[in-house]
Amino acid sequence: EDQVTQSPEALRLQEGESSSLNCSYTVSGLRGLFWYRQDPGKGPEFLFTLYSAGEEKEKERLKATLTKKESFLHITAPKPEDSATYLCAVQAVNDYKLSFGAGTTVTVRA
Amino acid sequence: EADIYQTPRYLVIGTGKKITLECSQTMGHDKMYWYQQDPGMELHLIHYSYGVNSTEKGDLSSESTVSRIRTEHFPLTLESARPSHTSQYLCASSASTGVSANEKLFFGSGTQLSVL
Repeated sequence: EDQVTQSPEALRLQEGESSSLNCSYTVSGLRGLFWYRQDPGKGPEFLFTLYSAGEEKEKERLKATLTKKESFLHITAPKPEDSATYLCAVQAVNDYKLSFGAGTTVTVRA
Repeated sequence: EADIYQTPRYLVIGTGKKITLECSQTMGHDKMYWYQQDPGMELHLIHYSYGVNSTEKGDLSSESTVSRIRTEHFPLTLESARPSHTSQYLCASSASTGVSANEKLFFGSGTQLSVL
C-alpha cells in the first residue's frame, strides 16, 4: 500500500528564515508526486508535480525536489502570506488515485 | 482558474437526518472525487467517478452514496447522518484522461459537516 509521511507536523518561521519540509513516500512505481497548499477553510490548491528523481520545480519562494524515496519543499525567505498547510501526495503507476500525507502546517511570523 | 463549487459551506444537523452535499464544476472534467478530511489527518478518498453513470467507492469505507447523472454535478448523500460522520468533505475534479494520466486535482472549498 502506498504511504506518504510528512515532517515536521508544524513549522514556525520568522519572516525571511528559510527552511524545508520533507515528504517521505513508498509507492509501487511512482507516476507522480504532487505538492498542494491548503489555506484554512479552503480546499487544497495545486503547486507542483514531480515525475522522476532529480527533477526540480520552482514557483516564487517555493522549490520542490524529488529523490527516489522523498521530496523536499524548500521555502526561501518566507513571508507571512506563505503561512498554510502544505500537502504531499503520490500517484502510483496505473492507479487513478492520489495518496496524501497529513501535511505540514507552516506559520511565518512578521 | 478552476471553477468547482460546493454547497453548503457549513452544515449542522441532528442525528438521523438525510443530507445531500452538492458539488458542481464548470470545466467539463470527466473525473470527479469526494475526499474526507479531519483536522491534522490525511485526505481519504471516499468516492470517485470517471464520467456520467460511473461511480466507485474509494479506499475509505463510507456510508454515503453518490450519483453522476450529469458531467458537471456529483452530489454526495447520507441517508441517515450520525455523529461519526462529522468531518470536512472535499470535492475535486481532474481534466486528465485514462488511469495513468497525471491526476492534478482542482478542489472545491469543502463542506464542514457537524452531526449532533
